[in-house]
Amino acid sequence: NAGVTQTPKFQVLKTGQSMTLQCAQDMNHEYMSWYRQDPGMGLRLIHYSVGAGITDQGEVPNGYNVSRSTTEDFPLRLLSAAPSQTSVYFCASSYSQGGGIEKLFFGSGTQLSVL
Amino acid sequence: TQLLEQSPQFLSIQEGENLTVYCNSSSVFSSLQWYRQEPGEGPVLLVTVVTGGEVKKLKRLTFQFGDARKDSSLHITAAQPGDTGLYLCAGETSGTYKYIFGTGTRLKVLA
Repeated sequence: NAGVTQTPKFQVLKTGQSMTLQCAQDMNHEYMSWYRQDPGMGLRLIHYSVGAGITDQGEVPNGYNVSRSTTEDFPLRLLSAAPSQTSVYFCASSYSQGGGIEKLFFGSGTQLSVL
Repeated sequence: TQLLEQSPQFLSIQEGENLTVYCNSSSVFSSLQWYRQEPGEGPVLLVTVVTGGEVKKLKRLTFQFGDARKDSSLHITAAQPGDTGLYLCAGETSGTYKYIFGTGTRLKVLA
């Protein structure tokens, strides 16, 4: 059982380049989300989705786009990378019950450097 | 924006010592979770607390949710090197589908 799979594991970009971070889960979870982790900042929510076709902004959405065409996939797009987006990115999924999130299952992360 | 503050930020202790990590906020949460993260991996859930005053135990780890559901603590008894890691608290406001994470406590237990 793969759980939450993120690709790539590492990525180096130049300022202004675009790229997509991939996230796939095989647990049939309705809820998926993207976080970034910076030293001393914990994890900050970028975007989240409660089901296919539904997305919403988190704490730090600027500079990132998402879409949710299937239950399994939730890609994160950087349209024009900036050095401030250097970070470790985590995708997480969860089943929801009674209007809340029960348990977040995390991928192993993508380490992104923007030069 | 909700803010979850954890203290201490760093903790280095000897094997066998006890420790407590705190997670505080001015916001009320419908549930609060504690995660542990190893280097190069994503966080892994340790426990969820949902009721004010609730206490949960997981072997040598004791978790408490404040009566007002604004704060929580994690107590480790007789710490072991295997407890080394980054501990994160995360809170959700009812119906928002947003889990806000604390700033983290990096624990190192020396043998």
